[in-house]
Amino acid sequence: LAKTTQPISMDSYEGQEVNITCSHNNIATNDYITWYQQFPSQGPRFIIQGYKTKVTNEVASLFIPADRKSSTLSLPRVSLSDTAVYYCLVGGVNTGFQKLVFGTGTRLLVSP
Amino acid sequence: GAVVSQHPSWVICKSGTSVKIECRSLDFQATTMFWYRQFPKQSLMLMATSNEGSKATYEQGVEKDKFLINHASLTLSTLTVTSAHPEDSSFYICSASNYPAGNTIYFGEGSWLTVV
Repeated sequence: LAKTTQPISMDSYEGQEVNITCSHNNIATNDYITWYQQFPSQGPRFIIQGYKTKVTNEVASLFIPADRKSSTLSLPRVSLSDTAVYYCLVGGVNTGFQKLVFGTGTRLLVSP
Repeated sequence: GAVVSQHPSWVICKSGTSVKIECRSLDFQATTMFWYRQFPKQSLMLMATSNEGSKATYEQGVEKDKFLINHASLTLSTLTVTSAHPEDSSFYICSASNYPAGNTIYFGEGSWLTVV
């Protein structure tokens, strides 16, 4: 299972764009990259998933370079409600991806 | 999107008693579900893999006789904490995959267990 490394914490202000980078040097060929958001006393919530290049949905974008050894979650114009812990996980079907092992996550604090 | 539901959301029990937490996949079938526990301000720690129709697989250091897991159907897995002690108090979270329909893992809302 690929190990991920993220910054422990980040601070931002409302309206700013936030980019959280995750390193996963040992990512396997079949691994996907998935980001989750977790609020206190709640289960993680799926944000976005990608395999390579760029993926965008209504809440975030995910940038994955060609070597796939890192990925960046981009949150446009954050609000106070985006204060949460963000987890980057990697896994693939052939490596039992369903068994996700969590790293420390990044604690994002958005201030007014 | 796919939904995973846990019940109860919170439970208080006395030391020495057992408590059961349910995890259901509401709109998809899950042959495999996972159980995690999380202490305040810490990351999720994988406890075990729940396999439908077979024995669960436990992570190193997790007592299988204390944390009983049953996966009797494709939409339900249960975690029973037996002979609970105050140190078992924690936030328990389950997850399930919608594979092969998709490649995404969905998590339940979590269940707070307090042992007094």
